Amino acid sequence: DTAVSQTPKYLVTQMGNDKSIKCEQNLGHDTMYWYKQDSKKFLKIMFSYNNKELIINETVPNRFSPKSPDKAHLNLHINSLELGDSAVYFCASSPKIRTSVIRETQYFGPGTRLLVL
Amino acid sequence: LAKTTQPISMDSYEGQEVNITCSHNNIATNDYITWYQQFPSQGPRFIIQGYKTKVTNEVASLFIPADRKSSTLSLPRVSLSDTAVYYCLVDDQYNFNKFYFGSGTKLNVKP
Repeated sequence: DTAVSQTPKYLVTQMGNDKSIKCEQNLGHDTMYWYKQDSKKFLKIMFSYNNKELIINETVPNRFSPKSPDKAHLNLHINSLELGDSAVYFCASSPKIRTSVIRETQYFGPGTRLLVL
Repeated sequence: LAKTTQPISMDSYEGQEVNITCSHNNIATNDYITWYQQFPSQGPRFIIQGYKTKVTNEVASLFIPADRKSSTLSLPRVSLSDTAVYYCLVDDQYNFNKFYFGSGTKLNVKP
């Protein structure tokens, strides 16, 4: 009954290759995200989708292309992988709730550890 | 966008109370403060959220002074399993889905 799942967990590949990471959430949330966490543990938002619509794109290279076939899935495709793409990529989701007394909270997946050689 | 500043690391011993303070001098009127916990090799996990004064749940307490320029996460009687990185976030009132994580505080709990 995993809430947010990612595949694969580990990904080792060569420079120049194209790879995809898949994310699925079974929480019924409207919004999904991709984050990149580098070796210094800084966690940076990359993309956000709400009901399959892109709402946040944080100056990420065009080599990164998110795809949301439905609101339960947000996949990340990376073209022409570079050494600097090595990081842990986290998928997250959140319900569309924002009131005067509560803000959205995010539920994160286990991460995909990408190593580009 | 309100940026946050936290200590890079803290050490504690089992059974102690740990207080981690976060500075957010530019917090806006409608911004909330949220804390996440991240264990090694896992994604961050929501701990607690607040707007002002004090919030308490089964895991932690969050203290926010009147000027809201800082907040303190309080973990009562920590155990070894509380060793993790703790992130303080201030949400962007104009961008509902933007979350900016700072560098976090690495808490080391020793026996």
